Amino acid sequence: EPEVTQTPSHQVTQMGQEVILRCVPISNHLYFYWYRQILGQKVEFLVSFYNNEISEKSEIFDDQFSVERPDGSNFTLKIRSTKLEDSAMYFCASYSGQSSGNTIYFGEGSWLTVV
Amino acid sequence: AQRVTQPEKLLSVFKGAPVELKCNYSYSGSPELFWYVQYSRQRLQLLLRHISRESIKGFTADLNKGETSFHLKKPFAQEEDSAMYYCALRSGTYKYIFGTGTRLKVLA
Repeated sequence: EPEVTQTPSHQVTQMGQEVILRCVPISNHLYFYWYRQILGQKVEFLVSFYNNEISEKSEIFDDQFSVERPDGSNFTLKIRSTKLEDSAMYFCASYSGQSSGNTIYFGEGSWLTVV
Repeated sequence: AQRVTQPEKLLSVFKGAPVELKCNYSYSGSPELFWYVQYSRQRLQLLLRHISRESIKGFTADLNKGETSFHLKKPFAQEEDSAMYYCALRSGTYKYIFGTGTRLKVLA
């Protein structure tokens, strides 16, 4: 079964550094998402991406964050200047865009630790 | 407001006992609801969607629009069911709203 893949699985970075989290969505999917899960808390929506632009973003997704689909396969989340509170598991997800009843598929997550 | 509520943070049951994980939602339109499971820091995996009315790993969930609930049930819990369970509501095409999750611990 096709999967969403994410790299790195774990990254430790110093506060203030830039981080890029990478995702390869399922190949025929059209919608892409980033979610965040701070340790012990719920999964939170960050941003959705369709047709090469952001469709919707949450309040969490401020100017420090950006997303990009630099080629036909990758979907990246950039955090420009990391803060301690950015430490979380970041999940990429993709969705085919077909009729209702389908769902989004999540990657295994990238665990970001900001020190 | 669109919201998913899972009132229990932790649910402990003995192996073989019935399980019910509660989920209530608030949504103005026609809801699409899902249950996701997360085993020990692994990816979120789709367990059930209400449209399919399927049973996966012995779990079932029925959408009750009158009570705005989508509780997850299993008649006989197994140790391998221990995990975090998230109820989710699809808000349009663009995002899912997750509940805070319930940790299920199945005791031997």
